[in-house]
Amino acid sequence: DGGITQSPKYLFRKEGQNVTLSCEQNLNHDAMYWYRQDPGQGLRLIYYSQIVNDFQKGDIAEGYSVSREKKESFPLTVTSAQKNPTAFYLCASSIRDRSYEQYFGPGTRLTVT
Amino acid sequence: GENVEQHPSTLSVQEGDSAVIKCTYSDSASNYFPWYKQELGKGPQLIIDIRSNVGEKKDQRIAVTLNKTAKHFSLHITETQPEDSAVYFCAASLNTGNQFYFGTGTSLTVIP
Repeated sequence: DGGITQSPKYLFRKEGQNVTLSCEQNLNHDAMYWYRQDPGQGLRLIYYSQIVNDFQKGDIAEGYSVSREKKESFPLTVTSAQKNPTAFYLCASSIRDRSYEQYFGPGTRLTVT
Repeated sequence: GENVEQHPSTLSVQEGDSAVIKCTYSDSASNYFPWYKQELGKGPQLIIDIRSNVGEKKDQRIAVTLNKTAKHFSLHITETQPEDSAVYFCAASLNTGNQFYFGTGTSLTVIP
């Protein structure tokens, strides 16, 4: 899992509540990413950030928000606007000049009922 | 945008046999192709990668081949062991970009 931590491993929420997933890295990587994984599907990019205080939307950003106030941290908020929030969420990081080599955290499984 | 297709979705092999997983991509500009192994409940781990200026790369029992003309690349695992059982994902990206496009995964089971 290479210095990337995600907590908690399992998260349960009621529908209509916002929830924030934590991602921390001690690899001194500039870039960080959030992916969503659903059964039988590849990973899909939600948001990414190449530098502190800057981030861009990925393919499925609707219903999600992020912040990047510190280099080490890239929290993801799943808002009540996300229609199908139950999924496995993966955080990754990379050296900025080597954004093609991404290293993943262990993931957080979010269940919304 | 890029579209990556991966086959098969499930694969069972006897211990000691070889396993081959194939991916195709659509964007000829893609030039970096990593393979990830994901064990149950864990994040994907990079196991091997190949860049478009290379046709084949090997690392012990694992090899990846790339055919740029046909836009497909494959993962080969020889002498499979039970600990190779996992889900394997291929991906394609531009090495100057931040977007990875992942295949849908192959669940490999190695039968002892």
